[in-house]
Amino acid sequence: SQQGEEDPQALSIQEGENATMNCSYKTSINNLQWYRQNSGRGLVHLILIRSNEREKHSGRLRVTLDTSKKSSSLLITASRAADTASYFCATDAYNNNDMRFGAGTRLTVKP
Amino acid sequence: KAGVTQTPRYLIKTRGQQVTLSCSPISGHRSVSWYQQTPGQGLQFLFEYFSETQRNKGNFPGRFSGRQFSNSRSEMNVSTLELGDSALYLCASSFAGELFFGEGSRLTVL
Repeated sequence: SQQGEEDPQALSIQEGENATMNCSYKTSINNLQWYRQNSGRGLVHLILIRSNEREKHSGRLRVTLDTSKKSSSLLITASRAADTASYFCATDAYNNNDMRFGAGTRLTVKP
Repeated sequence: KAGVTQTPRYLIKTRGQQVTLSCSPISGHRSVSWYQQTPGQGLQFLFEYFSETQRNKGNFPGRFSGRQFSNSRSEMNVSTLELGDSALYLCASSFAGELFFGEGSRLTVL
């Protein structure tokens, strides 16, 4: 079963714009992670935020976590065509060794 | 360091056959997880192994099984294949809570 749900399911923006994706989950977590997947390929880890953290940055990525609302957001600033991919949130709600993924947001960045 | 290696990358089977997929984790990683990805169901957790022991299992029928060897390499097996088993099967090794994925094995069942 899936733990997280991303919103929106699909997002299309112009190069240079910012992209915001949201993730909601159902149960308490230790950490939440964001992954990226290019079509038909493996997933690549982007960033991990722990339950006691509220915000984290990595390059053009900014992740926030609101444990009271059981939600997280991923912001990609100054998007590039190469950012076109699917983005997934994953949580360890069940235990640290069992990561559950949401359905993903399909981001298209138009040059 | 070499990444996670999955073999084969592509394979085609017919209903009723069985298939074995292989995963070599990153050197030093002892945990290996398997996921099934389909357009309809998304990424579904299959199972996770650590030091040759299955620690967690997702909600899949008994036709799906796996094992891990002493060198941390893992295999998963699907018996009596069904059309609905067509999917991208992803393996990931983990370290410090972060998953490192292979490129996947794309299985088509005809």
